[in-house]
Amino acid sequence: DAKTTQPNSMESNEEEPVHLPCNHSTISGTDYIHWYRQLPSQGPEYVIHGLTSNVNNRMASLAIAEDRKSSTLILHRATLRDAAVYYCILRDLGGMRFGAGTRLTVKP
Amino acid sequence: GAVVSQHPSRVICKSGTSVKIECRSLDFQATTMFWYRQFPKQSLMLMATSNEGSKATYEQGVEKDKFLINHASLTLSTLTVTSAHPEDSSFYICSARGGAPEAFFGQGTRLTVV
Repeated sequence: DAKTTQPNSMESNEEEPVHLPCNHSTISGTDYIHWYRQLPSQGPEYVIHGLTSNVNNRMASLAIAEDRKSSTLILHRATLRDAAVYYCILRDLGGMRFGAGTRLTVKP
Repeated sequence: GAVVSQHPSRVICKSGTSVKIECRSLDFQATTMFWYRQFPKQSLMLMATSNEGSKATYEQGVEKDKFLINHASLTLSTLTVTSAHPEDSSFYICSARGGAPEAFFGQGTRLTVV
């Protein structure tokens, strides 16, 4: 499986945008880039996914580099409820394999 | 998004007994379901992948006779932890996927073996 690299932790202030980076230099042409987040004692929550083009949904935006070797999850206005561990995952057809993720702290 | 329901949310059992965890996809047909285990302060570890009507594929190091997985229908998969021991205490999470690329996760089951 292609591996992803994320910072262990990031901090943000409430109401400000947050850019969560992910490197995936060994991505293959058929790997989708998925982002999930997990709050304590809960299952992961789907955030967004993309293949080549940038994607927007009600939760976030996903910016994918032209060479697809990196991507950035953008939360446009962080709220306290966005504090969670964010996982960037590459997936082809099999199960999702989770790395350590980025723990996002949102300060009021 | 799609809904995956996992039951029970927490269970305490005695050492040596078996525990069954259910995972249901409520509003879509899950052709593939996945089971994960998560220890405190660690990431999720994929245990096994199951396709409806066929035997589960287990990850290396996961004992298939200890963690029995059944995926008898397109909306239900079960994980049975047999002869549970304290070291099996963990947070177990299921995930389901239909035809779309994204997968959806259950709420998780906190298993405590005493």
